[in-house]
Amino acid sequence: DQQVKQNSPSLSVQEGRISILNCDYTNSMFDYFLWYKKYPAEGPTFLISISSIKDKNEDGRFTVFLNKSAKHLSLHIVPSQPGDSAVYFCAATPSTGANNLFFGTGTRLTVIP
Amino acid sequence: DAGVIQSPRHEVTEMGQEVTLRCKPISGHDYLFWYRQTMMRGLELLIYFNNNVPIDDSGMPEDRFSAKMPNASFSTLKIQPSEPRDSAVYFCASIRTLGTDTQYFGPGTRLTVL
Repeated sequence: DQQVKQNSPSLSVQEGRISILNCDYTNSMFDYFLWYKKYPAEGPTFLISISSIKDKNEDGRFTVFLNKSAKHLSLHIVPSQPGDSAVYFCAATPSTGANNLFFGTGTRLTVIP
Repeated sequence: DAGVIQSPRHEVTEMGQEVTLRCKPISGHDYLFWYRQTMMRGLELLIYFNNNVPIDDSGMPEDRFSAKMPNASFSTLKIQPSEPRDSAVYFCASIRTLGTDTQYFGPGTRLTVL
C-alpha cells in the first residue's frame, strides 16, 4: 500500500511560470520529507528536504511547504526553467535523515520554452 | 568521487534465468540500499545494509530475490529464477551515516525479463 502518493503523473508548465508539485502521505509517523529529481538514464538526486518541525524550507528557486494536519507537502519551483524538466519524487521517512525512505510514484514535469 | 556505480546498465534475459546486479557504493559510506522502480509503485526499498550487514530486508518481494554485501565496496542483488514481472529499473544508493545525509543513487540497471 502506497504510504506516499503523488496523484499527478505529469505536469506541463510554461518557462518562467511557477511549477507546483504535490504529495500526500498517510503515515503520521513520518518525520522528515525529501524531494528528489530524476533525469532519464540517471539515478535520482536529492533536491530539498524539510523536517516536520517546519512548515517551509526554501533553497533558491525551490521551496517545499509542509502541511502536517493535511498530511500534504508541495514543491514550488519559481521561475520554472527548461532544465527543470525531469521526474520529481517525493519521499518520507519516520526517522531523521535519509534512511528508510518511502517514495511516491513520481511526477514528470515538462517546462515548455 | 565517481559516485555510486552500478552494472550492468541494461540487462535483457529470459524467464527462468538467473540475474545478478552489481553495485559499488561511494567510498566511506556505511549504508547501502537497493531499490526497485516501477510505474505502478514508484521507488520501493528492497533491502539495506549497514557496514555490510543486512538491516532490513522486509521489502524483498520473494525468496527468488537475495542480496549480499561481502565487503564495504561491493554488493549484489540476485534474482533466481527471474520472471517477467521482475522487469523494472533497479537502483543502488548509499549514505555515509544516518540522521543527516541524503541518499546518493547510482544510475540504475534496467532489467527486462522476456
